[in-house]
Amino acid sequence: DTAVSQTPKYLVTQMGNDKSIKCEQNLGHDTMYWYKQDSKKFLKIMFSYNNKELIINETVPNRFSPKSPDKAHLNLHINSLELGDSAVYFCASSRVLVIGDTQYFGPGTRLTVL
Amino acid sequence: DAKTTQPNSMESNEEEPVHLPCNHSTISGTDYIHWYRQLPSQGPEYVIHGLTSNVNNRMASLAIAEDRKSSTLILHRATLRDAAVYYCILSSQGGSEKLVFGKGTKLTVNP
Repeated sequence: DTAVSQTPKYLVTQMGNDKSIKCEQNLGHDTMYWYKQDSKKFLKIMFSYNNKELIINETVPNRFSPKSPDKAHLNLHINSLELGDSAVYFCASSRVLVIGDTQYFGPGTRLTVL
Repeated sequence: DAKTTQPNSMESNEEEPVHLPCNHSTISGTDYIHWYRQLPSQGPEYVIHGLTSNVNNRMASLAIAEDRKSSTLILHRATLRDAAVYYCILSSQGGSEKLVFGKGTKLTVNP
């Protein structure tokens, strides 16, 4: 069974559209994250949630809105997509919100904005 | 965030040991040293972490210098499946609860 899963794996869309990426973890973890990996392969954190509460928001544009319906899910909704949003988005989870706690990453969602 | 310095790339031959260095001269006393790796087209995966003492697990060993200003990830027998980008990351207790990924070291394993 996949510990951290994301859907879809690939997403191709036009500029200006709204899209969502879903993430689920079956590890029973309290904390979940969204990372963005751009074309230069830099991996940067965007958000973290602990027990459905937003903890970290790394100056991400308001067009990005994470939603955590429960501890096992953290979805990412993106409004008015721009070319610069093209990247691979990774979801991750950790057991607790303790600095350095091991994070488990999903397989990634490759978003291409045309 | 404390910074780490790693070589951009390294090469190894299959079945040989690999020593991946990481410099972290500004490390604080409470910083843990974490290693993650990212295989092609996959998400990062945890490899190992330590504070002061050397650490071993089924994947690798972590050798930490006595002054903690550097560390080395050791893959005892490299396989083709170990070809990946390896990230050395510092985390601080009491600091922001996030991992800051650098550029990492791209490891190529030759058959």
